[in-house]
Amino acid sequence: GAGVSQSPRYKVAKRGQDVALRCDPISGHVSLFWYQQALGQGPEFLTYFQNEAQLDKSGLPSDRFFAERPEGSVSTLKIQRTQQEDSAVYLCASSVGTGVAKNIQYFGAGTRLSVL
Amino acid sequence: DQQVKQNSPSLSVQEGRISILNCDYTNSMFDYFLWYKKYPAEGPTFLISISSIKDKNEDGRFTVFLNKSAKHLSLHIVPSQPGDSAVYFCAARRVTGGGNKLTFGTGTQLKVEL
Repeated sequence: GAGVSQSPRYKVAKRGQDVALRCDPISGHVSLFWYQQALGQGPEFLTYFQNEAQLDKSGLPSDRFFAERPEGSVSTLKIQRTQQEDSAVYLCASSVGTGVAKNIQYFGAGTRLSVL
Repeated sequence: DQQVKQNSPSLSVQEGRISILNCDYTNSMFDYFLWYKKYPAEGPTFLISISSIKDKNEDGRFTVFLNKSAKHLSLHIVPSQPGDSAVYFCAARRVTGGGNKLTFGTGTQLKVEL
């Protein structure tokens, strides 16, 4: 596709449920990022992949959050035992590479997660 | 600890006038700065960027100014158009030693009125 695609666009979960959020990056993009955006805030970094390698997961808020990109393309962000504070928009971004000029991140429309 | 700050949550400007959006940062290790625009129900869209070795970058109606000594950058939009109405996010990155993650401000809602 032409841009970063995320699914589902909206997800409602009961507290304690597990959820999986999917990201299809721009074809050929090496780097993939996940961000969490709470209401009224800017996006906050969660984790970063270069191809299939997860190089930085310093932003994951707890061990309930897990991300993978097994074939270096599609990525899944999984949240186990969801809590109300997990309610946010989860944004995925991809970029061509790691040089300055090539590392503009292009964002998907996000998945809005509501935990009841 | 908010390392990137956008102190104006909203800004209203008349069509045709200049819009100036401001951003301050505290981390002197940041060396690359970006502005993103966001419409409702869409993801942030890249607008313009600047490296810390420059003090100005221009792209059409959009100009970003960087004042390293003041740790301040601003985005100028001239002339402003109704389609510019959106939330604007300032973001910063450490190119060397900081990985590739972006640190965002909280955004400024720009409204361009007819």
